[in-house]
Amino acid sequence: AQSVSQHNHHVILSEAASLELGCNYSYGGTVNLFWYVQYPGQHLQLLLKYFSGDPLVKGIKGFEAEFIKSKFSFNLRKPSVQWSDTAEYFCAVTYNNNDMRFGAGTRLTVKP
Amino acid sequence: DGGITQSPKYLFRKEGQNVTLSCEQNLNHDAMYWYRQDPGQGLRLIYYSQIVNDFQKGDIAEGYSVSREKKESFPLTVTSAQKNPTAFYLCASSITGTPKAFFGQGTRLTVV
Repeated sequence: AQSVSQHNHHVILSEAASLELGCNYSYGGTVNLFWYVQYPGQHLQLLLKYFSGDPLVKGIKGFEAEFIKSKFSFNLRKPSVQWSDTAEYFCAVTYNNNDMRFGAGTRLTVKP
Repeated sequence: DGGITQSPKYLFRKEGQNVTLSCEQNLNHDAMYWYRQDPGQGLRLIYYSQIVNDFQKGDIAEGYSVSREKKESFPLTVTSAQKNPTAFYLCASSITGTPKAFFGQGTRLTVV
């Protein structure tokens, strides 16, 4: 079955530390890949997306993600996190332009 | 088991008919959301509710209506005014003030 896995449930970092959140998806054909963020009390916001082209995708707020097809991965990175990055991060995939599937989410806590 | 349930999974309607999508949660979450996803695309926010008897429009509320009479339930009505209603609809919930979201399985609505 098509599925999306996020390896880390909760990541705790100090400000200025580098971040990498893992996302792996199962094989299922053509994929479009997304990272969403949800801040406390808010709805999901799109950080970045990959449809085709350059596998290194830059998003908002200094986030980037790299699509590695051979590893079925789309890890999210940020060189230096801030306290305001504290949130829940969701990886999502659409297979063959079908319905979106989400990972379970990774909670990021950034200590000031 | 606690969770969020959307029903039905697949729904077919004739053009011009209103249709109501169900979303129920037993997680005691205050906040509930409705998103729409089109093939291969990201999510767009339709409506959200932070508390019973209150809800706000999202980015694409036109042609939709909601109610929040009970904490557990947040039904979405797709009205005949919605010009392109065929899509995948995803319901989510979270505790107000925390970022962790839980997602339903989604409802694929096809209007013929």
